[in-house]
Amino acid sequence: NAGVTQTPKFRILKIGQSMTLQCTQDMNHNYMYWYRQDPGMGLKLIYYSVGAGITDKGEVPNGYNVSRSTTEDFPLRLELAAPSQTSVYFCASSYWEKLFFGSGTQLSVL
Amino acid sequence: DQQVKQNSPSLRVQEGRISILNCDYTNSMFDYFLWYKKYPAEGPTFLISISSIKDKNEDGRFTVFLNKSAKHLSLHIVPSQPGDSAVYFCAATVRDSSYKLIFGSGTRLLVRP
Repeated sequence: NAGVTQTPKFRILKIGQSMTLQCTQDMNHNYMYWYRQDPGMGLKLIYYSVGAGITDKGEVPNGYNVSRSTTEDFPLRLELAAPSQTSVYFCASSYWEKLFFGSGTQLSVL
Repeated sequence: DQQVKQNSPSLRVQEGRISILNCDYTNSMFDYFLWYKKYPAEGPTFLISISSIKDKNEDGRFTVFLNKSAKHLSLHIVPSQPGDSAVYFCAATVRDSSYKLIFGSGTRLLVRP
């Protein structure tokens, strides 16, 4: 069972560059989420989706975009990377209230 | 405005003793609470949860207590083992909110042999 798979695991971006963080799940969950975790902080919700074609903003959506064309995939797009987006990004899918997380993408913007 | 607070950044416990991790929340609408465990370079993994209609839930060595009047929950680990050393996150949600979890800042538990 792969569960929730995130790629890449690490990435360094220059200011102003763009990239897409990939997330895919094989549990057929309708709900998917993107969180970021800054050092010493809890996880903050960026965007979430309740099903294919439906997305909505979380607590900290500025600077990010998402799409959900299939049940399995929920990519997160950074258009103009800024140093404030240096963080660890976690994708998750849920079965009712229980979220299952991927192993994270560590992103540095320099 | 932190809706879920974990005021102890770290906790050190001797192997075999009880570990008690605390969590406070401010939003009275929260009706479901969860604890997640996180090892370095891994994603958080679900540990135990409790509904607001209960005041206690047990799963093996792990017990979660909920005090709704005080808006406080705690996680007890008995007996603590070195493999329990990790960061523990408290999370809360309103069940009709698309299951969006609000997380605390975490408590790093170190269990010494």
